[in-house]
Amino acid sequence: DTAVSQTPKYLVTQMGNDKSIKCEQNLGHDTMYWYKQDSKKFLKIMFSYNNKELIINETVPNRFSPKSPDKAHLNLHINSLELGDSAVYFCASSQDRQSYNEQFFGPGTRLTVL
Amino acid sequence: GNSVTQMEGPVTLSEEAFLTINCTYTATGYPSLFWYVQYPGEGLQLLLKATKADDKGSNKGFEATYRKETTSFHLEKGSVQVSDSAVYFCALSEPLGDDKIIFGKGTRLHILP
Repeated sequence: DTAVSQTPKYLVTQMGNDKSIKCEQNLGHDTMYWYKQDSKKFLKIMFSYNNKELIINETVPNRFSPKSPDKAHLNLHINSLELGDSAVYFCASSQDRQSYNEQFFGPGTRLTVL
Repeated sequence: GNSVTQMEGPVTLSEEAFLTINCTYTATGYPSLFWYVQYPGEGLQLLLKATKADDKGSNKGFEATYRKETTSFHLEKGSVQVSDSAVYFCALSEPLGDDKIIFGKGTRLHILP
């Protein structure tokens, strides 16, 4: 059983398009995250939700909009895609919002904007 | 602000060599410290952690000791294997902080057979 799953695994699209990435966790965790990893492997947090409530919103363009329909799901919608959005996006979850807890990562979604 | 600095890679070693990946941190208060590992094509997974000074985290032959006096959390392994080839991330979090983990930039490790 996959603990944290993301779809799609690969996403290739044209500049200006709108796309979504979905994430689901079956661990019963309260907190979920979105990270962006660039080509140099630098990992940067984008958003965090705790029980469907937004708790972390880093300096991210407002073209990025997360949505959590329930605590097991956290989706990421991106409008008007730009070349610089090309990266690997990771979803993660943890038991609760305490930052000393282990985070469980999904396999990533590689987004390529042409 | 809080930050993590780890040695730049790539680090290339022969199988059975001794490994050290240095990590130092800057933080207010008393952070928890982590090492995460990312195998090729996968997401990160927790390798080990330590939550207070002088704690030693260990897993899969890897060890790291929380040194408050030197603000360090260096990762070590006595004898590396080809399967250890991956990217290693040092990270910190501060309880009662703003709920997020600060990751270092990652160190790529290549083990040659």
